[in-house]
Amino acid sequence: DADVTQTPRNRITKTGKRIMLECSQTKGHDRMYWYRQDPGLGLRLIYYSFDVKDINKGEISDGYSVSRQAQAKFSLSLESAIPNQTALYFCATSETGTGDIQYFGAGTRLSVL
Amino acid sequence: GDSVTQMEGPVTLSEEAFLTINCTYTATGYPSLFWYVQYPGEGLQLLLKATKADDKGSNKGFEATYRKETTSFHLEKGSVQVSDSAVYFCALSPNGGYNKLIFGAGTRLAVHP
Repeated sequence: DADVTQTPRNRITKTGKRIMLECSQTKGHDRMYWYRQDPGLGLRLIYYSFDVKDINKGEISDGYSVSRQAQAKFSLSLESAIPNQTALYFCATSETGTGDIQYFGAGTRLSVL
Repeated sequence: GDSVTQMEGPVTLSEEAFLTINCTYTATGYPSLFWYVQYPGEGLQLLLKATKADDKGSNKGFEATYRKETTSFHLEKGSVQVSDSAVYFCALSPNGGYNKLIFGAGTRLAVHP
């Protein structure tokens, strides 16, 4: 089983709909992250969390919200999806003091029509 | 702000050719530098890292040297294989950046038999 699991793997939704992407991990890491990947732009950080009570905005947090339900679960919500949120979304984890190495899930491909 | 610039792809090579993917960075202080690889349909995984000037990271025949004087971290491999076909991302973690990664745009490598 994958250490970092993202669900769903693919999602098509319509403009204005609320959607939640979920991430769970079995690595026991305290830190979790959400990125989006767009062609030619690499990965950009949306939100990150250093523990259950610590949530921080990344460089492109507008239009997104997150919830850290437990150490192992970190979900990303689009309150009212818009077409330019069509992208590949990745969840990642890391452990404090291990030198900035992050472990990624397989990604969720989201299309907003 | 901190940033990473990679050579544009795609890079197309024949099997056993020499590979170089250029990466330069802009950062204050002393960032850590990384190469991540993304195989088709998968999340990113760490390929190699270097934490200080003149360090050489290496893994699976790939290597990169942290050059502070030229602010570069070029990825090299002496003889590529078809199985190396993937997207390669250069990334940095800012000095004191609390595990935050800043990614380049990625370079797609295609290796043909």
